[in-house]
Amino acid sequence: QLQLQESGPGLVKPSETLSLTCTVSGGSISGSDYYWVWIRQPPGKGLEWIGSFYYSRSAYYNPSLQSRVTISVDTSKNQFSLKLSFVTAADTAVYYCTRHGHYAPLDYWGQGTQVTVSS
Amino acid sequence: EIVMTQSPATLSVSPGERATLSCRASQSVNSNLVWYQQKPGQAPRLLIYGASTRATGIPARFSGGGSGTDFTLSISSLQSEDFAVYYCQQCNSWPLTFGGGTKVEIK
Repeated sequence: QLQLQESGPGLVKPSETLSLTCTVSGGSISGSDYYWVWIRQPPGKGLEWIGSFYYSRSAYYNPSLQSRVTISVDTSKNQFSLKLSFVTAADTAVYYCTRHGHYAPLDYWGQGTQVTVSS
Repeated sequence: EIVMTQSPATLSVSPGERATLSCRASQSVNSNLVWYQQKPGQAPRLLIYGASTRATGIPARFSGGGSGTDFTLSISSLQSEDFAVYYCQQCNSWPLTFGGGTKVEIK
């Protein structure tokens, strides 16, 4: 059974960089035919796709965040990461890691991690 | 960007009744439409993919339909555990986009 677990600071200061890691267990990131994905959900609001990273090193990002976001994969640790720079209060959200195949649903999700942007 | 619009925003239903939720795409997504259920404090749960295929372990009272731009999620005979927020999502083209959600509440 595939499991995903987010980790990282719960509090980030404005203008700094938010960094989160997703550890995958029960399956391998490398060589898999999946995109590894970050989704976020601001308090009381809906779901927003941040970006998807494919193991062959291609990445797709939400145009509204593209200038500030980077998703990367560390196959040696079976982890993938999110970096979001120059954060503001609008980036306060629960951040989820998940995955999807080609034209396929987000099938396995982490439990989510709350990140608050505040000084 | 494909805009996904869900209606209604809130649906009040009595237990045992049927609920029908709608999702409309601003352009065709073929059958690349997914439904998720989310309860407070939990991650979304995959319900339906390919517009009409139930995910593993999803009860038969959940059914999805539609193609192109108009989709529905039906829940026959609502159970107490079905009261939640439901999101549709298109996986046809980048960027991936979600609808704003429909909250199914107890009437």
